[in-house]
Amino acid sequence: EAQVTQNPRYLITVTGKKLTVTCSQNMNHEYMSWYRQDPGLGLRQIYYSMNVEVTDKGDVPEGYKVSRKEKRNFPLILESPSPNQTSLYFCASSLSFGGNTEAFFGQGTRLTVV
Amino acid sequence: AQKVTQAQTEISVVEKEDVTLDCVYETRDTTYYLFWYKQPPSGELVFLIRRNSFDEQNEISGRYSWNFQKSTSSFNFTITASQVVDSAVYFCALSDIQGAQKLVFGQGTRLTINP
Repeated sequence: EAQVTQNPRYLITVTGKKLTVTCSQNMNHEYMSWYRQDPGLGLRQIYYSMNVEVTDKGDVPEGYKVSRKEKRNFPLILESPSPNQTSLYFCASSLSFGGNTEAFFGQGTRLTVV
Repeated sequence: AQKVTQAQTEISVVEKEDVTLDCVYETRDTTYYLFWYKQPPSGELVFLIRRNSFDEQNEISGRYSWNFQKSTSSFNFTITASQVVDSAVYFCALSDIQGAQKLVFGQGTRLTINP
């Protein structure tokens, strides 16, 4: 089954404790990205990757890091989480970029930073 | 710059009523794509439709229909004979050549269908 898998689904952590949210896709997609969803703001892009070792900032990259060492994986790293990073996070992948192919989203990761 | 506006924050209707969710977008590109996603209470994002800017034909899929009007930069979504299972947050999104690496989402509309 074609899917994007994120882990964990839920996470409560303390300020400053480094964490990683994993994202993996099994569709051999080149393009992957991370979004955060906040009430009243919709989803905003954090980072994206057009292929292995190619990543770039989205609209809200501050406080986040990503890596793309393998085509299937695109982890989101919070080196020193803060309460304003409490949010619902989505990983997405698509065959290419530009909107002409469907984006597949993971199930979401609800992160709470206390 | 690209922008998507969903002015209706919340809508509540009684089951079997028809309901329309509004979406207005801004883009300078002539080639772009518009999307609707559904987010049920379980939280995942469910893809509903993708429409490119050169196809202004309205689309119907069962009880769902979409009205794309370039003249008013709108891509509205109508649910006919709504059901409780339609309760969700609905997002409209835009992708264009200028911002080709991302989807620009609206704020979302929370739709509640009451029995």
